[in-house]
Amino acid sequence: GQNIDQPTEMTATEGAIVQINCTYQTSGFNGLFWYQQHAGEAPTFLSYNVLDGLEEKGRFSSFLSRSKGYSYLLLKELQMKDSASYLCAVRDSNYQLIWGAGTKLIIKP
Amino acid sequence: IAGITQAPTSQILAAGRRMTLRCTQDMRHNAMYWYRQDLGLGLRLIHYSNTAGTTGKGEVPDGYSVSRANTDDFPLTLASAVPSQTSVYFCASSDSTPGTSGGTDTQYFGPGTRLTVL
Repeated sequence: GQNIDQPTEMTATEGAIVQINCTYQTSGFNGLFWYQQHAGEAPTFLSYNVLDGLEEKGRFSSFLSRSKGYSYLLLKELQMKDSASYLCAVRDSNYQLIWGAGTKLIIKP
Repeated sequence: IAGITQAPTSQILAAGRRMTLRCTQDMRHNAMYWYRQDLGLGLRLIHYSNTAGTTGKGEVPDGYSVSRANTDDFPLTLASAVPSQTSVYFCASSDSTPGTSGGTDTQYFGPGTRLTVL
């Protein structure tokens, strides 16, 4: 079967750095997405990786290793507004997105 | 404001009733999707449409139907609601059919409909 694994919950301190990991086992691979979802709101797109390596976008970076079936989302200079769930999704061989259950990130002052 | 709208925002429904969730986008996106989101689970695809006039089944299609008469609208119908269909439903769209453009085909989400079936 297809599987996306992420930690259920993480806690970090305002101003710090946090890394959210995602491991996947899917039938085929056609890209990996990270989305942010605030409580009660819709998911919003953060990043996309299709080749190995690091993609940087402001305070957020995303890394992919296809051989290891592994990605992480790195959030720097954490702000209180970064408190949200972070969803990892992999596009499989049928070009459908397979979603992880999400990681709830709690930021403490 | 360009984007995706969904209606209603929330609904409480008696089991056995028919219900249609509406989704409209004004971005002229080709592909549209319906997901349900349940606590502790990832988003699960119900149905999708790669272009107007075509639809396909996702991971959890049973009990749901869709139509795509035009580019903008993608309604989801529950013919006879059951309590296990209590969930938050998200509609999404992407600007091209995945795998055809060489682009990211990023999906953009509507605000969601919170449905409770009693």
